[in-house]
Amino acid sequence: EIVLTQSPGTLSLSPGERATLSCRASQSVSSSYLAWYQQKPGQAPRLLIYAASSRATGIPDRFSGSGSGTDFTLTISRLEPEDFALYYCQQFGSSLTFGGGTKVEIK
Amino acid sequence: QVQLQESGPGLVKPSETLSLTCTVSGASISSSSYFWGWIRQSPGKGLEWIGSIYFIGTTYYYNPSLNSRVTISIDTSKNQFSLILSSVTAADTSVYYCARLEGTYHVLDSWGQGTLVTVSS
Repeated sequence: EIVLTQSPGTLSLSPGERATLSCRASQSVSSSYLAWYQQKPGQAPRLLIYAASSRATGIPDRFSGSGSGTDFTLTISRLEPEDFALYYCQQFGSSLTFGGGTKVEIK
Repeated sequence: QVQLQESGPGLVKPSETLSLTCTVSGASISSSSYFWGWIRQSPGKGLEWIGSIYFIGTTYYYNPSLNSRVTISIDTSKNQFSLILSSVTAADTSVYYCARLEGTYHVLDSWGQGTLVTVSS
């Protein structure tokens, strides 16, 4: 089973700042099968990025994804108040697994 | 716009069986482009994949740690799919989500709101 490790656990930033979230896999992941989700308290996760770098429908262009192999990154170029939330990466290989999450909190 | 809604008991006794149903509206569960899956999230914890099913009834990608206790089934006539988790313990207390798994990139593109299931006597 592929294990995804997200870092940092918590990111404390101010609105307008840039957020860089990391997702590292225990073995190589196809870029086609790496996704990112956003989750707010009391809500279901929402798909942000699929295939490592493609934005899902309706996702603002301040969200971008990059990476390949075992190292992937989600970048939020300028944090808006509504972006403070939990973020998870997800991979599909022989099965599907999630990372442990990164909390982006207001500094 | 596809919508998913979980339903089932919110309280299950230890050693008994958890049973949930997901009703899909706004899309056909018989679409060849999608699988239908279950995910859970323990209070204050991360997301855990449970498994998925295709409209012909074939199940896929069960979480190895839950495999022996999980059954996922589908009823295309009702546009529903279901989860059964046997021999539950307190560790199975979680919010359970149903979701649509897109078949090309294997991402969960639509989710239910989630339902809290507590295992307690």
